[in-house]
Amino acid sequence: GQQLNQSPQSMFIQEGEDVSMNCTSSSIFNTWLWYKQDPGEGPVLLIALYKAGELTSNGRLTAQFGITRKDSFLNISASIPSDVGIYFCAGQPTEGAQKLVFGQGTRLTINP
Amino acid sequence: SAVISQKPSRDICQRGTSLTIQCQVDSQVTMMFWYRQQPGQSLTLIATANQGSEATYESGFVIDKFPISRPNLTFSTLTVSNMSPEDSSIYLCSAQGRYEKLFFGSGTQLSVL
Repeated sequence: GQQLNQSPQSMFIQEGEDVSMNCTSSSIFNTWLWYKQDPGEGPVLLIALYKAGELTSNGRLTAQFGITRKDSFLNISASIPSDVGIYFCAGQPTEGAQKLVFGQGTRLTINP
Repeated sequence: SAVISQKPSRDICQRGTSLTIQCQVDSQVTMMFWYRQQPGQSLTLIATANQGSEATYESGFVIDKFPISRPNLTFSTLTVSNMSPEDSSIYLCSAQGRYEKLFFGSGTQLSVL
């Protein structure tokens, strides 16, 4: 089945640093989504991308839908302690498909 | 945006018993799903909860183990039956509206002794 390869699996950074993570696949996706999960909570949608090449920002977060439709990245600028958590990419493989494919997650730890 | 209330938020259960998790959305949604998240892992789709009919299960999940109900457009339950320690996971209810992408409840942290 379709799989998403998300990297890195974990990141340990200093507060104030920028962060970059990405997801790749051998399959084409029509929509890319980025979620963040805090401990003891469900994932929360951060950014949704709908078109190849699309670049979308949400505050300090920026995500892009790759031109090939097989990848996406998420950048976080000037990290702060509340950015700690697990970030998941998710892809919608076909138009109108209801089921998402999730990446393995990137665990972000920030040293103050 | 719509909100999902999921309960219980956590439970500790004995081997061989069953637990029913409830999921209530504060507005009508088109799709409801149940996911499992094993410790340190990503999300795995268990099934799609279909309103008024049997749920659609993913490979590796069966109705006898994970019976699901969805009596209306805003409510669903997942039962984890005849539990074993391997069932210890976070179980997440999610929903998708006509104009909303997939959103999640806060999850049920299940520990089976």
